[in-house]
Amino acid sequence: KAGVTQTPRYLIKTRGQQVTLSCSPISGHRSVSWYQQTPGQGLQFLFEYFSETQRNKGNFPGRFSGRQFSNSRSEMNVSTLELGDSALYLCASSETVSGPRIVYTFGSGTRLTVV
Amino acid sequence: AQKITQTQPGMFVQEKEAVTLDCTYDTSDPSYGLFWYKQPSSGEMIFLIYQGSYDQQNATEGRYSLNFQKARKSANLVISASQLGDSAMYFCAMRDNQAGTALIFGKGTTLSVSS
Repeated sequence: KAGVTQTPRYLIKTRGQQVTLSCSPISGHRSVSWYQQTPGQGLQFLFEYFSETQRNKGNFPGRFSGRQFSNSRSEMNVSTLELGDSALYLCASSETVSGPRIVYTFGSGTRLTVV
Repeated sequence: AQKITQTQPGMFVQEKEAVTLDCTYDTSDPSYGLFWYKQPSSGEMIFLIYQGSYDQQNATEGRYSLNFQKARKSANLVISASQLGDSAMYFCAMRDNQAGTALIFGKGTTLSVSS
């Protein structure tokens, strides 16, 4: 099985711009989650999409949004970029193995630098 | 609120030695799952081991084992026979019904293995 693919790997953007990141999950996985990783705040949950619907959302401003397509690929968008948005953005696709056990598989991330 | 605490910012070990990485958690939910992930400098989060709150035995996966002490709310990762390739950041994470599908991560522990 191919793993979780995130594109691009690296991005440099200017304050005020917007950016779109892409995530292709493992084939057959219908759930995609996004996380932001910074040195100061660590790993924080952004949102999760399941069958094209946002199922869960973390505590981030409305500038952060996402969507999921019918093929389960997901995109996240950050508008009006701020310096503090510089981070590694990780995507995870998941499937329920049995009962409460969910297997989360992460991609390699997109490293966003805002200048 | 749910919380994961990793009190060791850095750990140092020699090749072939065993090492224990500490993790304590806090949740009021009786049903939860605990995860350990490895993050090399490349950024990808690699799943290591899972422990469910109702699992009767401590989880093991190859050189990784989990010392699960439910009453103490601790889930320490034990790596036996350390290898140079084990040098990385290690994260403990939890999922419970309150968090829904989101993973709550600790701040991580940097493990350095020397020859």
